Amino acid sequence: DAGVTQSPTHLIKTRGQQVTLRCSPKSGHDTVSWYQQALGQGPQFIFQYYEEEERQRGNFPDRFSGHQFPNYSSELNVNALLLGDSALYLCASRTKGRGFEAFFGQGTRLTVV
Amino acid sequence: AQSVAQPEDQVKVAEGNPLTVKCTYSVSGNPYLFWYVQYPNRGLQFLLKYITGDNLVKGSYGFEAEFNKSQTSFHLKKPSALVSDSALYFCAVRVITGANNLFFGTGTRLTVIP
Repeated sequence: DAGVTQSPTHLIKTRGQQVTLRCSPKSGHDTVSWYQQALGQGPQFIFQYYEEEERQRGNFPDRFSGHQFPNYSSELNVNALLLGDSALYLCASRTKGRGFEAFFGQGTRLTVV
Repeated sequence: AQSVAQPEDQVKVAEGNPLTVKCTYSVSGNPYLFWYVQYPNRGLQFLLKYITGDNLVKGSYGFEAEFNKSQTSFHLKKPSALVSDSALYFCAVRVITGANNLFFGTGTRLTVIP
């Protein structure tokens, strides 16, 4: 079982550019969530995808968007990058249901310069 | 609204001694509580969870946590610390509405001194 896999592991972008991050969930999981972890902070919820639809969004602007594919994999897109978008972006997958734990990928470290 | 507090930014213990990492929470309804560990440049690894049942929950790598409803706490414990336990630990509560996403504390850095 490969677990949750994310790509790329590191990325450097220039302010104003756009970026796409990718996530493959753990086998058997159908729900994918994205989190942003700024340096020295706990992860903050961006949004969740289930059945190829965005189900809930945290307090993030519309510059952050996503997609879920029929095979449950997901993408996170960020437009018009700001310096403050520099962070570790974590993808988490789980089975639908409140009692199930989320499994996290190793994250994508995005640096905006 | 929900909240999670990890009152200690850092905890240092000697190898072989017991360790405790504190967490208190505030949530509407019954809490679903989780502990995760993060090693440098890595994602989060699940340690344990409390959903219902026994207040003492056992998890991975010898860790356990005690759920205390009256004190709204969910402290992480281990009887004998290892140097390899040195990492960043996050307590999280599951939001019971909408996406049931996790709401994380700010983390506690545990250092186990040889």
